[in-house]
Amino acid sequence: AQSVTQLDSQVPVFEEAPVELRCNYSSSVSVYLFWYVQYPNQGLQLLLKYLSGSTLVESINGFEAEFNKSQTSFHLRKPSVHISDTAEYFCAVSSNTGGFKTIFGAGTRLFVKA
Amino acid sequence: NAGVTQTPKFQVLKTGQSMTLQCAQDMNHEYMSWYRQDPGMGLRLIHYSVGAGITDQGEVPNGYNVSRSTTEDFPLRLLSAAPSQTSVYFCASSRLGGETQYFGPGTRLLVL
Repeated sequence: AQSVTQLDSQVPVFEEAPVELRCNYSSSVSVYLFWYVQYPNQGLQLLLKYLSGSTLVESINGFEAEFNKSQTSFHLRKPSVHISDTAEYFCAVSSNTGGFKTIFGAGTRLFVKA
Repeated sequence: NAGVTQTPKFQVLKTGQSMTLQCAQDMNHEYMSWYRQDPGMGLRLIHYSVGAGITDQGEVPNGYNVSRSTTEDFPLRLLSAAPSQTSVYFCASSRLGGETQYFGPGTRLLVL
């Protein structure tokens, strides 16, 4: 069975500081990995995803995540955060052989302080 | 192109009442799913479907029924509402095979 563990429920950070949001997954088959973001009072939207190929994937707003198969991790990083990055971030996993269902982690709330 | 739509936006029920949360998508996506979001629990998968006529249980299916008679619609039914079902419900759709999920705006349900 697939599962996702987000290791931090809340991450406070000062503006322009780097940040890492940690995600570990459990699956016995090849997986697709995702990071979604939820801004206050909004639905979820895709931030970035790993399907295959290069293990480092990037988003258009400066976030990146690296797929590490040996450590079963997909941590999200940004070298310099902005106030506008304050949101909840969800890691998710799915696979073709897992019935296509997507399982989400519990979320990490990122607070960016001035 | 409306994407994923959900109705109602907000609903209050009494314990034991039944209701249907509606979800529709106009992107011809094969995959549709229902999640509930609770503080500290993230999104938990209730039921999902990989095509018309095909549904399967997710992580927390008890107390909920679904059907998929068309590609576009995927209603979620609460047969006898309980206070534990107070939550925000999200519907999502995507193509199969690692594709991006598109989420609806959510339905906030309060069961008294």
